[in-house]
Parts: sequence; structure tokens; C-alpha cells
Amino acid sequence: DTGVSQNPRHKITKRGQNVTFRCDPISEHNRLYWYRQTLGQGPEFLTYFQNEAQLEKSRLLSDRFSAERPKGSFSTLEIQRTEQGDSAMYLCASKVAWDTEAFFGQGTRLTVV
Amino acid sequence: TQLLEQSPQFLSIQEGENLTVYCNSSSVFSSLQWYRQEPGEGPVLLVTVVTGGEVKKLKRLTFQFGDARKDSSLHITAAQPGDTGLYLCARGGGADGLTFGKGTHLIIQP
Repeated sequence: DTGVSQNPRHKITKRGQNVTFRCDPISEHNRLYWYRQTLGQGPEFLTYFQNEAQLEKSRLLSDRFSAERPKGSFSTLEIQRTEQGDSAMYLCASKVAWDTEAFFGQGTRLTVV
Repeated sequence: TQLLEQSPQFLSIQEGENLTVYCNSSSVFSSLQWYRQEPGEGPVLLVTVVTGGEVKKLKRLTFQFGDARKDSSLHITAAQPGDTGLYLCARGGGADGLTFGKGTHLIIQP
């Protein structure tokens, strides 16, 4: 499977715990995006990497959120001290260049209890 | 803040019927994309429209971009249960990512 891969698919965590999600983009896609999607809403942009550089961060990305892409390949999104409002689907997308199609992964469904 | 308004929010129709969903904004788009998302999956790109007045067809789906590039519509002919899903329009595609509407939840009943 050469698509965008996200792990885990589902995560249930207790409030206050830290969680980390992983995204493996399509090989040679240098642009990687993280989105958050809550129930009844469209995906909302969180952050964007070009290779290993994090170039854009949304105001939605509070200081409890951190994303990395250390070698310009896979990326991780960590949420510290999770809150119930963090419950959402976290989607990753990758693309070759700015004007090409973005391919989305299947997402990680986070439930904070 | 969602800058794209999609309507209707929910639509449930019988198999074989036709339907149209809409995407509107007060801003001009350089391009607009339509995605379809199934439960538990990520969005999948259906089409990108760029030119005002442009019409694109994808089998039973017809996409139209308004002349002023502020609105778009998706028309499905003879809907089938397999068309069920969340239809999202999105603008952008630049470095700062896509801006999505809230989507239209479409259910096609057999």
C-alpha cells in the first residue's frame, strides 16, 4: 500500500494523558499537513511541513500540541495533557508540490474520556 | 472559521433520484476542490475546478464552477447507495493548506 498511513487508527485516553500519533506520507511527497475534524465539521488545518521544516501553524494548535517531521519523511503529532475537547479525528495529508492533489490518510480517531 | 458555506447540511433521498449540493463563499476562489469522505476514512479528491463557468463531469457527477468563481455545485444523476458519504468543498491548496466547508451529509436509500 503506497498511500498515506496513519497510526493508530483509534486511540482512547484518559484526560490529562499525553498521546502521540504517527503519519507516514507517500514516498517523495515533501509536503505534509495535519488536520483536525470534529463531528459534523469539515477538516480544519493545523500545521504544515515542507520536508523537515514546519512552515505554518494554525491558531488551533495550542501550546499543548507539537508536531515534528525530523527527517522529512514520517511525522508525529503529540498532544500533551489531553482534554475532552481534543476528541476528534486527526487527519494527515501529503502532496508533491503546492498545486498538486493532496492525499489523505484514514485518520486517527482520538477519544478523551 | 469556515469561510465556505455548504448546503444542504443533510440530504436523504431514494436511489435513482437526482440531487444538487452547493458550496458558496463571499470570496473569489483561485480554485475549488470537491472531496468525498466515507465514515472512518479520509477525504478523497473528486475534482478540481479552476476556470469560472467550468463544468466537469465524473460519470454521474457534474461539477460546476460559478462564473464569478465564488460558488460551485455538485449534481448527481440517478443516485446510488454507493454515493452515500460526506461531500466537502475546499479552497486553497497553497502552502497553508486547504479550507473546507462543513460538508453535505448525503444518504441514498435503496
